[in-house]
Amino acid sequence: GAVVSQHPSWVICKSGTSVKIECRSLDFQATTMFWYRQFPKQSLMLMATSNEGSKATYEQGVEKDKFLINHASLTLSTLTVTSAHPEDSSFYICSATRTNTDTQYFGPGTRLTVL
Amino acid sequence: DAKTTQPTSMDCAEGRAANLPCNHSTISGNEYVYWYRQIHSQGPQYIIHGLKNNETNEMASLIITEDRKSSTLILPHATLRDTAVYYCIVRVYDAGNNRKLIWGLGTSLAVNP
Repeated sequence: GAVVSQHPSWVICKSGTSVKIECRSLDFQATTMFWYRQFPKQSLMLMATSNEGSKATYEQGVEKDKFLINHASLTLSTLTVTSAHPEDSSFYICSATRTNTDTQYFGPGTRLTVL
Repeated sequence: DAKTTQPTSMDCAEGRAANLPCNHSTISGNEYVYWYRQIHSQGPQYIIHGLKNNETNEMASLIITEDRKSSTLILPHATLRDTAVYYCIVRVYDAGNNRKLIWGLGTSLAVNP
C-alpha cells in the first residue's frame, strides 16, 4: 500500500503562535504532495501543491506568507501556519503521489485548534 | 467548482450492494474519474479510478457510461464499516497544466444493520 502519516494528529495553540505540521510518505517516494483544509461539514479545499525541491504553488486566496510549505525531501513536506488565529482552526490534510502516477494517498489529518 | 454532482445521502442494508451514482456531464476526454471515501475525522481513502473502461479492484467496481457523463461506484457487499462520505471527483488540469482534484460535498452513505 501507500502509507502517508501526519504529525501531530491534533494541536491546540494560542493565537499568534506558529504551528508546524509534518507529512511523510512512509513506503514510497512522493515527488508531489498536496495540502488541503477542511472545515466542519464542508469538503476538502486544496491549499497548495508542493513538488520536491521547488516552491509550492498556492491556490487563489491562500496566503503563502501565512501558510509556509517546505518539501525538502521525497518523503517529507511541512506546513507551517504562522501567527495562527482562531479562524485558522481547521482540519489540515496532506496527500502524496508516487513518481509518475496521479493517485493521491492521504494522511490521517491534523486537527488544529487556535484559542 | 466541482465538476461532479452526487446525491447528498443514501442508505443501504448491510450485505447488499451499494450503488453510488455520480454525474460529470462536462468531463473532458483526458480527465479521469476518481472515487475516495472519508470516514468521520479521518483522511480520505482512495477507492478506485477510471477513464472510460469499467474498473474493478478489491474494494469496489466503477462503471462509467459510454458517453462518460456519469458513473456508478458499486460496493458489492456493504458492511457497517463502509459507512462514510463518498466523493466522486474529476481530476482536472489547471491553467499551469497541474493535475488537481476538485472536491464536492460527496454522498453520505449509511449502511444499516
